[in-house]
Amino acid sequence: AQSVSQHNHHVILSEAASLELGCNYSYGGTVNLFWYVQYPGQHLQLLLKYFSGDPLVKGIKGFEAEFIKSKFSFNLRKPSVQWSDTAEYFCAVNVPGRRALTFGSGTRLQVQP
Amino acid sequence: KAGVTQTPRYLIKTRGQQVTLSCSPISGHRSVSWYQQTPGQGLQFLFEYFSETQRNKGNFPGRFSGRQFSNSRSEMNVSTLELGDSALYLCASSLGQGMGNEQFFGPGTRLTVL
Repeated sequence: AQSVSQHNHHVILSEAASLELGCNYSYGGTVNLFWYVQYPGQHLQLLLKYFSGDPLVKGIKGFEAEFIKSKFSFNLRKPSVQWSDTAEYFCAVNVPGRRALTFGSGTRLQVQP
Repeated sequence: KAGVTQTPRYLIKTRGQQVTLSCSPISGHRSVSWYQQTPGQGLQFLFEYFSETQRNKGNFPGRFSGRQFSNSRSEMNVSTLELGDSALYLCASSLGQGMGNEQFFGPGTRLTVL
């Protein structure tokens, strides 16, 4: 079975700072990779996803993630965060053909104005 | 297009009772998955339904069950509630098999067991 690790549990940044959230997965085969965001009081929304092709994936709101197969990683980045990016971020994986997502424990991002 | 809807949004039950939660997927979506979100365990997959059949099941006891109707609406049932069942229960829908696996989540039902 696959597993996902998010090592940063709580990150505090000032506006305009750069962001990188780590995500590592454990699975020997092909995986699909996702980043979801949960803004305060709102439901989970998809930020970006990787199935195949270019390992650098661009998502909504200026977020991007890079799939590094050799490191089993799918880190989320944003060059300049805004106060509105305050939220909880979840990395998730599934395997092709199965919708069941395995989530990481989440990273709470707090952006200070 | 309306999103995934879940009812009720909040529920308070006592230990030993049973509860039924409902999920209406996005129109045209045929796959519905259920997840449990708790502060301690995070987001965990419960089960998935497609065309009224359970396709996958997570590692939860038999007290947790579900079903899907011909209109793709889904219900999940938890019997003999325990304190540890207090959680946010999320429903997610997707178009179906082989369609990119993107899931759209609903707002959740927050269940409190006293």
